[in-house]
Amino acid sequence: ETGVTQSPTHLIKTRGQQVTLRCSSQSGHNTVSWYQQALGQGPQFIFQYYREEENGRGNFPPRFSGLQFPNYSSELNVNALELDDSALYLCASSSRFGGRGDTQYFGPGTRLTVL
Amino acid sequence: AQKVTQAQTEISVVEKEDVTLDCVYETRDTTYYLFWYKQPPSGELVFLIRRNSFDEQNEISGRYSWNFQKSTSSFNFTITASQVVDSAVYFCALSDETGRRALTFGSGTRLQVQP
Repeated sequence: ETGVTQSPTHLIKTRGQQVTLRCSSQSGHNTVSWYQQALGQGPQFIFQYYREEENGRGNFPPRFSGLQFPNYSSELNVNALELDDSALYLCASSSRFGGRGDTQYFGPGTRLTVL
Repeated sequence: AQKVTQAQTEISVVEKEDVTLDCVYETRDTTYYLFWYKQPPSGELVFLIRRNSFDEQNEISGRYSWNFQKSTSSFNFTITASQVVDSAVYFCALSDETGRRALTFGSGTRLQVQP
């Protein structure tokens, strides 16, 4: 069974630029959630995708957007990067209405640094 | 609104000591799920346990045990005979009752196990 994978591992951008982060869900999972984890804090929910549609969003502005593809992989896009966007971005996959329900399994994360 | 409080920022113990990590939560939902995740230095969140709100049985898995007390809104995690490999940041999380099951995390407890 393949776990959740994310790319790239690390990324350095400058203020105002745009970035795309990618996530491949665990095999058999149809739901992807994205979280932002600032240094020394717990992860914060950004949004979730199910059946290629956004299925709930946390307290993040519209410049954070995403996509889910037919193979359940997902992208997180952030426009007009700000210094405070520097964080570890975690992707989690889960299986809605699956046998084990909604446990979210996380990928290794993408460390984004905005200069 | 949901909230998870992990009052212990950092705990340091010597190998073979027992250690308990505290978690207190707030929610208005009658049905909810509680989780513990481990985050080693590599950054990936590793799922440890899921507990639903109507199952207050305590659980033991090897050296790990969890004590869920609905009356005090607590879901504490005990590691027996700690080992150096247990050193990590541990997060308690709460999911909502809606279909998306977005996780609300505490701020984490950093556990350092000294040899």
